[in-house]
Amino acid sequence: EVQLLESGGGLVQPGGSLRLSCVASGFPGFSFSTYHMSWVRQAPGEGLEWVSAISDDGRSTYFADPVKGRFVISRDNFKNTLYLYMNSLRADDTAVYYCATYSTTLISKWGAFDYWGQGTLVTVSS
Amino acid sequence: DVVMTQSPLSLPVTPGEPASISCRSSQSLLNSNGYNYLDWYLQKPGQSPQLLIYLGSNRASGVPDRFSGSGSGTDFTLKISRVEAEDIGVYFCMQALHSPRTFGQGTKLEIK
Repeated sequence: EVQLLESGGGLVQPGGSLRLSCVASGFPGFSFSTYHMSWVRQAPGEGLEWVSAISDDGRSTYFADPVKGRFVISRDNFKNTLYLYMNSLRADDTAVYYCATYSTTLISKWGAFDYWGQGTLVTVSS
Repeated sequence: DVVMTQSPLSLPVTPGEPASISCRSSQSLLNSNGYNYLDWYLQKPGQSPQLLIYLGSNRASGVPDRFSGSGSGTDFTLKISRVEAEDIGVYFCMQALHSPRTFGQGTKLEIK
């Protein structure tokens, strides 16, 4: 079992910045560096929206169009930590942000989202 | 982006009775490798989403066998053979073949 713990959410003014963190832990022998990771958000009372992803070695990153150019994803495999740097925040970025692991199957390391954190709430408002 | 459409959006069910949720995609989710890149998640009240079904029909670890996924191409179904009280929450389908991954709007299952 893998545990993911997000932090860093809060109230920020439009145009402001925030850094989210997600610390991973798990079973003996758990190796964070073998998991591709993602951020998924959920606006209040709404559905789920994929935001960003990063490969296990951190070399490849991907972003949804609404956040491209404003958000940066990174990871520190020595600290078992995933980050999301959020800049130029807008009201429509208000959401609970979840980090999630990609499962590994026989056909891909970019499988379903098999472990999720509890989420951290970001509120963008003046 | 691929549009995922679920129905119904609300599903009242009597415990012990079956339930079925439909998910349709605007583009085929069948890969040339023969797999359908469609996953199902359940978000219980106040909790994070949890994976139920991956690649169309494979139950995730620990998921009871009363849950099953089927379908191919653009039409998929999640079935619960006998609904239990603990199954309440919002069910989401998600396509994982096309970038970006996109989710259905969710189906809220509630107990009658």
